[in-house]
Amino acid sequence: NAGVTQTPKFQVLKTGQSMTLQCAQDMNHEYMSWYRQDPGMGLRLIHYSVGAGITDQGEVPNGYNVSRSTTEDFPLRLLSAAPSQTSVYFCASSYGGGSSYEQYFGPGTRLTVT
Amino acid sequence: KQEVTQIPAALSVPEGENLVLNCSFTDSAIYNLQWFRQDPGKGLTSLLLIQSSQREQTSGRLNASLDKSSGRSTLYIAASQPGDSATYLCAVSDYGQNFVFGPGTRLSVLP
Repeated sequence: NAGVTQTPKFQVLKTGQSMTLQCAQDMNHEYMSWYRQDPGMGLRLIHYSVGAGITDQGEVPNGYNVSRSTTEDFPLRLLSAAPSQTSVYFCASSYGGGSSYEQYFGPGTRLTVT
Repeated sequence: KQEVTQIPAALSVPEGENLVLNCSFTDSAIYNLQWFRQDPGKGLTSLLLIQSSQREQTSGRLNASLDKSSGRSTLYIAASQPGDSATYLCAVSDYGQNFVFGPGTRLSVLP
């Protein structure tokens, strides 16, 4: 199993540009989520999905869109990039069944908006 | 709103020492607590998951305890090694799948 994969690893955008961060998992996990990690702020939840076709907002959803058309993929779209979105973005997944919700994380995407 | 704190923010110890990292949370109605390790520039690696009905979990030299009523968890690392140097994060879930993270403890184990 590849686990949780994210592309790209690094990205530089100019203010106002849009882009999609890709996330995929091959563990047949129902639950997937996106976090951003900023110095001194810890990880904060952006959006999450409990299954294909179902998404919801987390703590900091503004400026981001998500969709979940398949169990495997959960892309994160930046609609109009702003310098405040400079961060490291992590995708995570978990089985979501029973009482075991151990989260597995991808390697992250480091985004810089100039 | 759930808030998670971790003490200390940074810790430096000589190799071979036993050490304890602390995690506190404000709302005791949690579902799970998970400890992670993060190496510089890398993603998060799961270390231990404690479900709300459990009081502790062990994996090798690591032992994590959970006291829901007092809103605390500790991660005990025995016989620390330089390879244990990393940032350790704890995260709590209040309804199963969305986690609130602490800021982390940066650990340095000196040879």
